[in-house]
Amino acid sequence: NAGVTQTPKFQVLKTGQSMTLQCAQDMNHEYMSWYRQDPGMGLRLIHYSVGAGITDQGEVPNGYNVSRSTTEDFPLRLLSAAPSQTSVYFCASSSNLGPYEQYFGPGTRLTVT
Amino acid sequence: DAKTTQPTSMDCAEGRAANLPCNHSTISGNEYVYWYRQIHSQGPQYIIHGLKNNETNEMASLIITEDRKSSTLILPHATLRDTAVYYCIVSYGQNFVFGPGTRLSVLP
Repeated sequence: NAGVTQTPKFQVLKTGQSMTLQCAQDMNHEYMSWYRQDPGMGLRLIHYSVGAGITDQGEVPNGYNVSRSTTEDFPLRLLSAAPSQTSVYFCASSSNLGPYEQYFGPGTRLTVT
Repeated sequence: DAKTTQPTSMDCAEGRAANLPCNHSTISGNEYVYWYRQIHSQGPQYIIHGLKNNETNEMASLIITEDRKSSTLILPHATLRDTAVYYCIVSYGQNFVFGPGTRLSVLP
């Protein structure tokens, strides 16, 4: 199993540009989520999904969109990038059966200039 | 806000046990205690979890006090590769709230 994969590993955007961060998992997990991590801080939840077709907002959803058309994929879209969105983004997945051992991807480091 | 309080940083000598404390005085009866770690800038890695009883796996032991208001993660023989940020998380559901964690430095 590849686990949770994320692409790209690094990305530089100009203010106002849009892009999609990709996340995929091959463990047939129902739950998937996106976190962002700013320097020296813990992770903060952006959006999550408990199954295909179901998404919801986390703690810091503004400026981001998600959709979940398949169990495997959970892309994160930045609509109009801002310097405040410069961060490292992590995708995670787990079964919907608790307790929840979550598997995290390697992260995407995004810089917005 | 995170429901846990952890020391900002700790040092441990290589080969010794590393004991990482966590306070979670407002924990509810159905909330689990989870420990994750983040090595350098990699994605967080699951270590262990517990509800009431002490737990042990191949990586670590988790000691939860009887009143469940605090816990300790024990790495029995720390190595240099255990240098990381360790997060203690209290949660009922899957949406975790991460605090800043404890930065553990294992020293040769």
